[in-house]
Amino acid sequence: DTGVSQDPRHKITKRGQNVTFRCDPISEHNRLYWYRQTLGQGPEFLTYFQNEAQLEKSRLLSDRFSAERPKGSFSTLEIQRTEQGDSAMYLCASSVPGHPNYGYTFGSGTRLTVV
Amino acid sequence: GENVEQHPSTLSVQEGDSAVIKCTYSDSASNYFPWYKQELGKRPQLIIDIRSNVGEKKDQRIAVTLNKTAKHFSLHITETQPEDSAVYFCAALIPPNDYKLSFGAGTTVTVRA
Repeated sequence: DTGVSQDPRHKITKRGQNVTFRCDPISEHNRLYWYRQTLGQGPEFLTYFQNEAQLEKSRLLSDRFSAERPKGSFSTLEIQRTEQGDSAMYLCASSVPGHPNYGYTFGSGTRLTVV
Repeated sequence: GENVEQHPSTLSVQEGDSAVIKCTYSDSASNYFPWYKQELGKRPQLIIDIRSNVGEKKDQRIAVTLNKTAKHFSLHITETQPEDSAVYFCAALIPPNDYKLSFGAGTTVTVRA
């Protein structure tokens, strides 16, 4: 287990289609996060899981977005009825509470392009 | 919520010179400030961080300083090398929770050989 894995790395989809991304965190990390990064900007917080519980959702996460972490391990992020404004890099991160440096480890991201 | 501003947006330095990136934050209750380096097409990687109970932290050629009164913190890279070329992001933990980060917009650093 060398880090946070995300799949796919790239996704091109037509407007109106649904897409689903997967994140596999570091196995001992019980905290999992999704962030969105648009060109020229820093990552923006979308949602946070502690184990299987989704404890916070950003206002950025409209009702077309849903995230799950069914068994407290991997997580999925689904976007329904995609819009061009959804085009971005979707980053997953994981951490352990109380880690000296909060231990945020990011995955390499899924780049979504909506055409 | 927390608002983090980062300057400059681009920085070009001669190899061997120093680079300084500055960030300001809005919420005085923020107590943790990490810096991430992101190379093209790669994941953001934590390079150094600082907590509000210290004013400076150093790790080889990189250092971070924190001024809680002025609510700003800075990244210093000395003796820059071409491999330091990347986008650097500052961030602040958003109080009152201990898990959500607010990021600056990033600084693209180019080290000229």
